[in-house]
Amino acid sequence: QKEVEQNSGPLSVPEGAIASLNCTYSDRGSQSFFWYRQYSGKSPELIMFIYSNGDKEDGRFTAQLNKASQYVSLLIRDSQPSDSATYLCAVNGGGADGLTFGKGTHLIIQP
Amino acid sequence: GAVVSQHPSRVICKSGTSVKIECRSLDFQATTMFWYRQFPKQSLMLMATSNEGSKATYEQGVEKDKFLINHASLTLSTLTVTSAHPEDSSFYICSAHDGNSPLHFGNGTRLTVT
Repeated sequence: QKEVEQNSGPLSVPEGAIASLNCTYSDRGSQSFFWYRQYSGKSPELIMFIYSNGDKEDGRFTAQLNKASQYVSLLIRDSQPSDSATYLCAVNGGGADGLTFGKGTHLIIQP
Repeated sequence: GAVVSQHPSRVICKSGTSVKIECRSLDFQATTMFWYRQFPKQSLMLMATSNEGSKATYEQGVEKDKFLINHASLTLSTLTVTSAHPEDSSFYICSAHDGNSPLHFGNGTRLTVT
């Protein structure tokens, strides 16, 4: 059974600092990796996706993938209070497969 | 970017009744749509994969006769919760895939069964 593990938190980070969110997955055949942000009572919003080993940067966000270690992370630079949310890690086997989600990490940015 | 519209956003129904939730892809043709369910403080759980013109594929433990899925066109999939019970109260979210882009989600439907 495919599993995606995340520390549920809460992870508390001061405003302006770097928030680091981590995720591990069990299925070595996973091809695509996603980070979603979910505010309470709302639907997930895609933040980043990454397919290849290494880093991918988009604005304040950097996704890091290490397939050998089955590890994917999300770094948020210059954290803002509006970044406070639950961050969901999701993986799939590629193509038109559904996603397997982690339980999410609750991030709190302290002003 | 891709837009997925889900309706209704919130519904309250009595136990034993059926509820239909619609998921539409607004600016692309969705060959595949997915239905997820999320209980409070839990992760999203995939319920079923909906393929246009064919039967949906249900995940283990999801009753196909209770959660009816119809994907009649490339832009619309519906989920009908039949004979709803209080334990079916949850946040139901659809997502759509055009074969190329990452999945985008609808705004979700909060179902409350009384």
